[in-house]
Amino acid sequence: QKEVEQNSGPLSVPEGAIASLNCTYSDRGSQSFFWYRQYSGKSPELIMSIYSNGDKEDGRFTAQLNKASQYVSLLIRDSQPSDSATYLCAVNKGGNKLVFGAGTILRVKS
Amino acid sequence: EAGVVQSPRYKIIEKKQPVAFWCNPISGHNTLYWYLQNLGQGPELLIRYENEEAVDDSQLPKDRFSAERLKGVDSTLKIQPAELGDSAVYLCASSSGTGSSYNEQFFGPGTRLTVL
Repeated sequence: QKEVEQNSGPLSVPEGAIASLNCTYSDRGSQSFFWYRQYSGKSPELIMSIYSNGDKEDGRFTAQLNKASQYVSLLIRDSQPSDSATYLCAVNKGGNKLVFGAGTILRVKS
Repeated sequence: EAGVVQSPRYKIIEKKQPVAFWCNPISGHNTLYWYLQNLGQGPELLIRYENEEAVDDSQLPKDRFSAERLKGVDSTLKIQPAELGDSAVYLCASSSGTGSSYNEQFFGPGTRLTVL
């Protein structure tokens, strides 16, 4: 079992729709969770961090965390073609050690 | 605020040759990371520095890879000799503070290495 699992996709959504990206993790002691966006040929860019159960909103992005289910998700409202990228889920297992999932490819069709 | 700086951006070498990558973190960031990213995968940690000290190098292939962070700022990652399987993107990241689980990591643009 991988430490951080994501559906590789591609996830295709029409422009203006809500994109829902999911991530599960295996270490119940994980303390913080991050979403990175990575455009093709570019490096990962931090878009959201979440530390407590519940929702955290930032503009069109909402991160959701459920530690009991070991599940974290990212919702993108009003999806735009410019949101098309690979979204990486990262989990901090303690200290500064991040473990990344393989990413989900998102395609927003205009 | 300037981001993480890496050089070179691209490097093509023949197998068995040495190669070095350089990273300058965000000003004031004490923790520096080197990651390796293969196509279709997430970044994988090679080594983490807190100030000058390498606190996690368990994933660094020490037979051919070495790293240093003199004076606790810039860092260099070296491969000698390079192998075909080392072709990947080498990412440097930095974060403020040390030892916390809540520090956000910010990545540089990466160095794309191709070994022929």
